[in-house]
Amino acid sequence: EPEVTQTPSHQVTQMGQEVILRCVPISNHLYFYWYRQILGQKVEFLVSFYNNEISEKSEIFDDQFSVERPDGSNFTLKIRSTKLEDSAMYFCASSGPGAEKLFFGSGTQLSVL
Amino acid sequence: GIQVEQSPPDLILQEGANSTLRCNFSDSVNNLQWFHQNPWGQLINLFYIPSGTKQNGRLSATTVATERYSLLYISSSQTTDSGVYFCAVEEGSTSYGKLTFGQGTILTVHP
Repeated sequence: EPEVTQTPSHQVTQMGQEVILRCVPISNHLYFYWYRQILGQKVEFLVSFYNNEISEKSEIFDDQFSVERPDGSNFTLKIRSTKLEDSAMYFCASSGPGAEKLFFGSGTQLSVL
Repeated sequence: GIQVEQSPPDLILQEGANSTLRCNFSDSVNNLQWFHQNPWGQLINLFYIPSGTKQNGRLSATTVATERYSLLYISSSQTTDSGVYFCAVEEGSTSYGKLTFGQGTILTVHP
């Protein structure tokens, strides 16, 4: 069964450093997302991406965050200057033409020290 | 924004028992999904169910959109059902996949 894959599974970085989280969505999907989950809390929407542009973003997704689809298969989330409070599990997701059922990757656990 | 409340917050069962998880939401939705987060943190999509009833093996779900709630039924529970169950909704008339998650129900199934 097709699945969303994320790399790396764990990322440790120093405060102020840039990180790039990578995702390969399901191949025929058209909508791509990033969500995050701070330890012990609920999952939060960050951004959705369709037709090579951001379609929705949350208040969390400020100027420090950016997304890109550099080629036909990858979807990336960049955090320009990480803060301690960016420590979380970051999930990539994708969905088909109707943006209905979302399929999530296994997540990247980001730890900012 | 829309509010999503799940109950109960915690549930402990013996293997073989049945359970019902509830999700209440504060506004009209066009998208409602149930997820299982397993002990390794992976989010598994169980149902896309903005209205009506669906069944998948031992699991079934019902959403009554007019009354703003959804139920997830787990029958003959197994230890592998343990984890956190999330309800997630999207308000409005058009679906973009911008889901608001509830706080989840932590399910523990003992052998």
